[in-house]
Amino acid sequence: NAGVTQTPKFRVLKTGQSMTLLCAQDMNHEYMYWYRQDPGMGLRLIHYSVGEGTTAKGEVPDGYNVSRLKKQNFLLGLESAAPSQTSVYFCASSYHTNEQFFGPGTRLTVL
Amino acid sequence: GQQVMQIPQYQHVQEGEDFTTYCNSSTTLSNIQWYKQRPGGHPVFLIQLVKSGEVKKQKRLTFQFGEAKKNSSLHITATQTTDVGTYFCAGVTGTASKLTFGTGTRLQVTL
Repeated sequence: NAGVTQTPKFRVLKTGQSMTLLCAQDMNHEYMYWYRQDPGMGLRLIHYSVGEGTTAKGEVPDGYNVSRLKKQNFLLGLESAAPSQTSVYFCASSYHTNEQFFGPGTRLTVL
Repeated sequence: GQQVMQIPQYQHVQEGEDFTTYCNSSTTLSNIQWYKQRPGGHPVFLIQLVKSGEVKKQKRLTFQFGEAKKNSSLHITATQTTDVGTYFCAGVTGTASKLTFGTGTRLQVTL
């Protein structure tokens, strides 16, 4: 079992560029989440999904879009990156609201 | 919206000393979870508390859930350098499908 994997691990973008972060889990979890973590701060929820084909906004959704076309994958998109989106992005999955399993994170820098 | 605060934000202890972090929610929680994040790593689940007044122990770690289910604490007895990291609490409100993470407490342990 790979658990939760994220690609890429690192990325540098210029302002205005777009990119997609991929999260994959092999635990057959219904619930998946995208968080961002800024230095010295906690985890802030961007978007989440409680099942294939469904998504919902979290605490800080502006500037991001998501898609859950397959149960095992949860994609996070940045259409026009801004320096304020420089952060570490974590994906997580869970069986309902029980223990969340986190991926290793993606470190994104927007210049 | 729901807010989850933790105190202290940072604590530096000598190895062997005890450590406690406190978590307070603005709303009643249906369950609370604790996570540990090592420097440069991802959050890892430690425990989940569900019942009012519940106390659980894991070796040197003791977790408590308040009677009103609005606060929780994590106590570490005789800290070791391996305890270094940031400890987050995360709560679920009612039938919500997501966790709200606390602000975290960063623990530094020196010899």
